[in-house]
Amino acid sequence: DAEITQSPRHKITETGRQVTLACHQTWNHNNMFWYRQDLGHGLRLIHYSYGVHDTNKGEVSDGYSVSRSNTEDLPLTLESAASSQTSVYFCASSESTSGGNEQFFGPGTRLTVL
Amino acid sequence: GQNIDQPTEMTATEGAIVQINCTYQTSGFNGLFWYQQHAGEAPTFLSYNVLDGLEEKGRFSSFLSRSKGYSYLLLKELQMKDSASYLCAVMDSNYQLIWGAGTKLIIKP
Repeated sequence: DAEITQSPRHKITETGRQVTLACHQTWNHNNMFWYRQDLGHGLRLIHYSYGVHDTNKGEVSDGYSVSRSNTEDLPLTLESAASSQTSVYFCASSESTSGGNEQFFGPGTRLTVL
Repeated sequence: GQNIDQPTEMTATEGAIVQINCTYQTSGFNGLFWYQQHAGEAPTFLSYNVLDGLEEKGRFSSFLSRSKGYSYLLLKELQMKDSASYLCAVMDSNYQLIWGAGTKLIIKP
């Protein structure tokens, strides 16, 4: 069965360190997204990609970067982790943006920055 | 600005019916989604509305009024496993999803 996976599931790091969160999907979807979820807020879009070598900034992209070298993977990098980046991070993918194409979510990565 | 409003928390009784409301103000509209999210898990898709009216899917129904910027999710015959957060999201003119903060639904026996 097709799926979307994230690793690690839990990560504790220190302020200033570089951190990379992995996202891998086997749906063969063109669209991939990274969100963060914090109490009291809806899911907030960090970066997204509509295909290989395409990346775009979302609502809260400062301090984050992504690259898309193949269809399956969209790793999220925190260049210099800050305590404000402590959050739960979800990766999602969808077949297209048109119509009612739902986004499928990975299980999430809980990141703590000390 | 863009805004999605839904109640923070609701409580209902097992076997009963509950309606979760969502109002929105967005730049453009390309459909409204409802997702369910159990604590510590990923959101999962429940429904999609793009035209006015009611969409029924088993125990769950979703309603949309585009002129009022309003939707609701109706859950019937509530079960304990329905205890979860319910997320409303609108696809805007850029085909980006704008998410509400979610409604935590507590089911009591």
